[in-house]
Amino acid sequence: AQSVAQPEDQVNVAEGNPLTVKCTYSVSGNPYLFWYVQYPNRGLQFLLKYITGDNLVKGSYGFEAEFNKSQTSFHLKKPSALVSDSALYFCAVRDMNNNAGNMLTFGGGTRLMVKP
Amino acid sequence: DAGVIQSPRHEVTEMGQEVTLRCKPISGHDYLFWYRQTMMRGLELLIYFNNNVPIDDSGMPEDRFSAKMPNASFSTLKIQPSEPRDSAVYFCASRFGGNQPQHFGDGTRLSIL
Repeated sequence: AQSVAQPEDQVNVAEGNPLTVKCTYSVSGNPYLFWYVQYPNRGLQFLLKYITGDNLVKGSYGFEAEFNKSQTSFHLKKPSALVSDSALYFCAVRDMNNNAGNMLTFGGGTRLMVKP
Repeated sequence: DAGVIQSPRHEVTEMGQEVTLRCKPISGHDYLFWYRQTMMRGLELLIYFNNNVPIDDSGMPEDRFSAKMPNASFSTLKIQPSEPRDSAVYFCASRFGGNQPQHFGDGTRLSIL
């Protein structure tokens, strides 16, 4: 079984400050990891993914995420937050060794609020 | 690139009526997924298709829900009869291949009165 935990329902940060949105996962094999962002009345938009290789992954809009296998984490980060980054963020995982499953498991989402 | 297209964007109907949600995936994508999003349960996978064939429908809530994919460019999710607890935002997503990201449509907001 695969699972994702986003321990914070909401993260508040001031504009210009660094932000971190936390994600931990559980899979039996090796993980595919994804971050998505959802703006109001829109579908989820892909931000970045980790498949293999460099543990630091860079994505859209200046976001990056660091894969940490020992801590089974994939935290989303940005050096300087913008008010326009305020949205709902989802972490997702798929077990790349599970040939029977092509399904992503999503976390419960974290609402990011960036204050001016 | 038109993205995943869903229709209608909003649907309001009375309990007991049949509801049909539609999805056009991105051309060339071979996987299609239907999700439901609610405040209480978050994002739930209902069913997914690979090359137009349903692979896993274990997330479909009950027999009132059915989904079809008659060809590579069209899928429907049908609820008959609809109930107030079916009120949610329903998303369609498509993907090409094994390790590519899913691309989501903007969803259908369904309200059953």
